[in-house]
Amino acid sequence: EAGVAQSPRYKIIEKRQSVAFWCNPISGHATLYWYQQILGQGPKLLIQFQNNGVVDDSQLPKDRFSAERLKGVDSTLKIQPAKLEDSAVYLCASSRTGVEHNEQFFGPGTRLTVL
Amino acid sequence: KNEVEQSPQNLTAQEGEFITINCSYSVGISALHWLQQHPGGGIVSLFMLSSGKKKHGRLIATINIQEKHSSLHITASHPRDSAVYICAVGAQKLVFGQGTRLTINP
Repeated sequence: EAGVAQSPRYKIIEKRQSVAFWCNPISGHATLYWYQQILGQGPKLLIQFQNNGVVDDSQLPKDRFSAERLKGVDSTLKIQPAKLEDSAVYLCASSRTGVEHNEQFFGPGTRLTVL
Repeated sequence: KNEVEQSPQNLTAQEGEFITINCSYSVGISALHWLQQHPGGGIVSLFMLSSGKKKHGRLIATINIQEKHSSLHITASHPRDSAVYICAVGAQKLVFGQGTRLTINP
């Protein structure tokens, strides 16, 4: 089966600009995650969707970050306006739902550099 | 103190050596994951375990639930094993360690 797809793979922007990332999860996976991974650290969950509903967005900086999954399939993550500290790899992952011990499948990530 | 601690943070070894990476956690869990991340960012799931031991090729993962500790072992290490290895705990919501950067020199 096809894996989790993300685009773009790399993005360089200046601070205060806007940027959007796209994720297409594995077909049939109801749960979708966006993670932020700053260099040298483990990933940090930004937001978790179950179908098109938000399960957890407690660590999403809502003043500048937004995410949606309107049809319960693919998702976009937006940053507006970007700050220098937003430079990171943004990872999307998906998993089946309703079963404990769900394995998460990760996409290749989008590396964002904010200048 | 982080909820998930890995050691060592960096490890350099020669090809063929036996490698051990450790993970300790302080939260109750239903499963522990070992992940591999190569340069470029993509993450691959290696193991998901909730008890005992699992083996896949040259990789072995063990977990001791009572001691809240897991180890990832690599036998007969190879330069292509060079990557960051990440421990994560939880069920649907994962808490990640900071990763262990492994470099295997030929």
